[in-house]
Amino acid sequence: QSVVTQPPSASGTPGQRVTISCSGSSSNIRSNPVNWYQQVPGTAPKLLMHSSNQRPSGVPDRFSGSKSGTSASLAISGVQSEDEADYYCATWDDRLNGPVFGGGTKLTVL
Amino acid sequence: EVQLVESGGGLVQPGGSLRLSCAASGFTFSSYWIYWVRQAPGKGLVWVSHINSDGSTTRYADSVKGRFTISRDNAKNTLYLQMNSLSAEDTAVYYCARVMVVANALDIWGPGTMVTVSS
Repeated sequence: QSVVTQPPSASGTPGQRVTISCSGSSSNIRSNPVNWYQQVPGTAPKLLMHSSNQRPSGVPDRFSGSKSGTSASLAISGVQSEDEADYYCATWDDRLNGPVFGGGTKLTVL
Repeated sequence: EVQLVESGGGLVQPGGSLRLSCAASGFTFSSYWIYWVRQAPGKGLVWVSHINSDGSTTRYADSVKGRFTISRDNAKNTLYLQMNSLSAEDTAVYYCARVMVVANALDIWGPGTMVTVSS
């Protein structure tokens, strides 16, 4: 199991606000930026958020990120059916001296 | 177009070896660190290894240390992963990914190449 944990699943109806959490510790999330990736099954991951709250060019502004202490969150305001995918948080772990991924959260749009 | 494309995957017997390649195009390959990340069927993403821009620094996950070797040829814009002593636990899609300057974020990913270790 990863040192960074996510809920295995999340869901929402179209237009709802959905939040996905990412919980870590002082050796990873507290002291390093968090990145988020979106992966549609059968395709490669895509960078969705970097530096905890920065959206790369082309990512819709309904996606936002935040970090506080040893936790981070990804929020989707007004979730759409096309947002149905797996979401992974990732950061650096100072104790392991390497990058770590969360276990992933499967988002279902009902 | 900025892209990475992996190749070299396939079916290999336990104990066997395989070399993956990752061809880069559309950007200055020699300026970027590159990661290998794998994903076992139905499972999450796992960091495997990374290499700095000139190839002088490499790091490995404990699960592959001593068995896998990452390298790069900047003249050929290509990254490699030599995998030895393979076991069923190494079965996965292997992705190469470019590291952004900021936040260790992986901004460009290849489509992946499947490695299956089975007798």
